[in-house]
Amino acid sequence: AQSVSQHNHHVILSEAASLELGCNYSYGGTVNLFWYVQYPGQHLQLLLKYFSGDPLVKGIKGFEAEFIKSKFSFNLRKPSVQWSDTAEYFCAVNDMDSSYKLIFGSGTRLLVRP
Amino acid sequence: NAGVTQTPKFRILKIGQSMTLQCAQDMNHNYMYWYRQDPGMGLKLIYYSVGAGITDKGEVPNGYNVSRSTTEDFPLRLELAAPSQTSVYFCASSRTSGRNEQFFGPGTRLTVL
Repeated sequence: AQSVSQHNHHVILSEAASLELGCNYSYGGTVNLFWYVQYPGQHLQLLLKYFSGDPLVKGIKGFEAEFIKSKFSFNLRKPSVQWSDTAEYFCAVNDMDSSYKLIFGSGTRLLVRP
Repeated sequence: NAGVTQTPKFRILKIGQSMTLQCAQDMNHNYMYWYRQDPGMGLKLIYYSVGAGITDKGEVPNGYNVSRSTTEDFPLRLELAAPSQTSVYFCASSRTSGRNEQFFGPGTRLTVL
């Protein structure tokens, strides 16, 4: 069965630091990749998504992610974090065989200190 | 548009009680989903629906039932609640599957004591 791994469960950064959150998936075929964010007390919302084409995708609020097929990875990055980026971040994947089904990683809690 | 709405926001149940978690969307989406989120575990798919009258099991369907009589509504029924069902439940919808973004509701925090 397909799985998604997010290796950093908790990350603490100071404002203006750079961020990289890891995401690896197990499926070897064609995949659709997503990063969702859950701000405190709010519902999940989409940060960015990748289906095909340029492996470097840009999302909202200055976030970007790079798809590296050979490494089965889709890491999330932001050059300079802000206090308002404090949230939980989820990587999710679906594949062409079961395209209705989003498999989520366990999430990374990011705390940005002012 | 309200998007995806869920009621109630919070609920405490006793073991063996039943309840229905309500979910509605006003985006005319065909696909709807129920997930549960446990601490450190990410989201797990309970049930999903590809349209009115059509539902199917996800990864963790045991102890739950769903129905989809209209495009807008997708209630989740818990029969004989158990402590293992203590979780946060999210409903989501999407226009179709695959590349389409899923839109999530605000969640229902359920505690079974």
